[in-house]
Amino acid sequence: GDSVTQMEGPVTLSEEAFLTINCTYTATGYPSLFWYVQYPGEGLQLLLKATKADDKGSNKGFEATYRKETTSFHLEKGSVQVSDSAVYFCALSAASGGSYIPTFGRGTSLIVHP
Amino acid sequence: EAGVTQSPTHLIKTRGQQATLRCSPISGHTSVYWYQQALGLGLQFLLWYDEGEERNRGNFPPRFSGRQFPNYSSELNVNALELEDSALYLCASSQVFRETQYFGPGTRLLVL
Repeated sequence: GDSVTQMEGPVTLSEEAFLTINCTYTATGYPSLFWYVQYPGEGLQLLLKATKADDKGSNKGFEATYRKETTSFHLEKGSVQVSDSAVYFCALSAASGGSYIPTFGRGTSLIVHP
Repeated sequence: EAGVTQSPTHLIKTRGQQATLRCSPISGHTSVYWYQQALGLGLQFLLWYDEGEERNRGNFPPRFSGRQFPNYSSELNVNALELEDSALYLCASSQVFRETQYFGPGTRLLVL
């Protein structure tokens, strides 16, 4: 079945450091890929998405490129801020044998220190 | 445009009781998804409703059930509560399956 694998957290960085959170997936068909962010005490918010191979999603300085050849969708940001501290979820949405269950990774906690 | 709303925000129950959680999707969205987010376990898919029908369910026992009303709002019922049911329950809605899911703030259920 479909699956999403994210790097284990927590990821701890100093402010203005470069961020990469790895995400790889397994899916039949042609999934759309998403990154969601969950701030402390809140629900999930869409951060960015890509719907086909080689698409780049971007928002709030975060970027991720849909790499079909490596089945990856790594999240990057050039300079993190304390306010970026949150849990980040990689997810895919794909039709498979008539089933439409969305699949999320386990989440990666990011902690940014001043 | 109003987002996805959930009620109550917090719910405290004792073991063996029943809990009812409610969700109102974004206007125009017909699909509602329920997830359980237990500490350290990420999001576990519970149920998917679309156009009033249960379309799929995750790997949860039958005491987790729900329904979707004609106005597309949804209810999640958890019977015979167990301590391990303590979690944040998130509801999400979407217009069509491949579209982005929009999440509510969640209901935090504590079972004592």
